[in-house]
Amino acid sequence: GAVVSQHPSWVICKSGTSVKIECRSLDFQATTMFWYRQFPKQSLMLMATSNEGSKATYEQGVEKDKFLINHASLTLSTLTVTSAHPEDSSFYICSARVGIGGVGTDTQYFGPGTRLTVL
Amino acid sequence: RKEVEQDPGPFNVPEGATVAFNCTYSNSASQSFFWYRQDCRKEPKLLMSVYSSGNEDGRFTAQLNRASQYISLLIRDSKLSDSATYLCVVNIPNDYKLSFGAGTTVTVRA
Repeated sequence: GAVVSQHPSWVICKSGTSVKIECRSLDFQATTMFWYRQFPKQSLMLMATSNEGSKATYEQGVEKDKFLINHASLTLSTLTVTSAHPEDSSFYICSARVGIGGVGTDTQYFGPGTRLTVL
Repeated sequence: RKEVEQDPGPFNVPEGATVAFNCTYSNSASQSFFWYRQDCRKEPKLLMSVYSSGNEDGRFTAQLNRASQYISLLIRDSKLSDSATYLCVVNIPNDYKLSFGAGTTVTVRA
């Protein structure tokens, strides 16, 4: 099946620093990637939709200036958490859409996630 | 009302038992339905898509009831390795985005 990688798998940083997370589709081209955040014992919450070559679309309540997304190529999207604070500590997961059909028929494959801890 | 609701469990069952659980979704226009499996501190992995007629994949059977807007998953002959959180996932109509349930935790004991 489709393989999505994420790097780093975990990161610990000081409050106020910025952290960049990479999401790559390894064996396919992904026109759309998604970024999620998951807090303990909660469901995945979609943060933003990332389309190659265009600006990301953010979900309501997600600050676009704090969570910078760049989808530079069909195989790479990056999420940068700027000026991270302890409340940003979470499990960040990306996914890539494997689309062979129209809207509503696609499957998403997930990267292994990045566990961010902000001290 | 949440878009996708699941019984969080946990369902504690002995090896070899059958366990089944449901999820409900709020938007009747949703078109695609999935069960994902998530192990502790790992990413979700696609277990199976759910089709209108119901479908089976080995020991796993998924059913879709559009009239009542619920999806079910049944696991037969449970294995220790089936212990995980099972996420019910539904597409947002006319969009590529997905809505996730909070998950149902299953623990299979020896």
